[in-house]
Amino acid sequence: DAGITQSPRHKVTETGTPVTLRCHQTENHRYMYWYRQDPGHGLRLIHYSYGVKDTDKGEVSDGYSVSRSKTEDFLLTLESATSSQTSVYFCAISESGASGRYEQYFGPGTRLTVT
Amino acid sequence: GESVGLHLPTLSVQEGDNSIINCAYSNSASDYFIWYKQESGKGPQFIIDIRSNMDKRQGQRVTVLLNKTVKHLSLQIAATQPGDSAVYFCAENIGGSYIPTFGRGTSLIVHP
Repeated sequence: DAGITQSPRHKVTETGTPVTLRCHQTENHRYMYWYRQDPGHGLRLIHYSYGVKDTDKGEVSDGYSVSRSKTEDFLLTLESATSSQTSVYFCAISESGASGRYEQYFGPGTRLTVT
Repeated sequence: GESVGLHLPTLSVQEGDNSIINCAYSNSASDYFIWYKQESGKGPQFIIDIRSNMDKRQGQRVTVLLNKTVKHLSLQIAATQPGDSAVYFCAENIGGSYIPTFGRGTSLIVHP
């Protein structure tokens, strides 16, 4: 299995509080991604990073921010959590694609509940 | 929490049968395709990939078929086992993009 960990694995928080989720990789992969997964919606991209300090928005970025100060860490922050952000969050990584392959490797997920 | 497998198309098979999971992809410019498997409570896991210059690729007990004419991808699993029970996603990439587009997924249920 690719070396990807997410923390925390489970979190319950109250509406209006800030929350930070962490993704850590040991593969030295260039690309890192944050997805949310909800029943009926599949995987939806929140933000991604293509290098240290290089990030961009995905299709559902409103209410979320990210930071990547080191190759191995990618943080997702909910500045003020809302109930609509209750979801399972997955981090993923991928290589540079020099081999022509773009498969992603996913972490175990974080189940976030906003009450 | 609610399972990711709810609200998805479901394929039920008997152990030992062959399974075929289908995916219609959206963009004719896509040139790289991947199948992922997601077991309950886990993250998606890479199974097999195929480039657009191929029609078929085989792995261990799995075969992916690509029909570019009708923008269709299929995953065949031979001698399906209970451990194959999971949600299966296809994903497509366009021209070197690192941002894939994921399909909604199909829930495969294998009955012993």
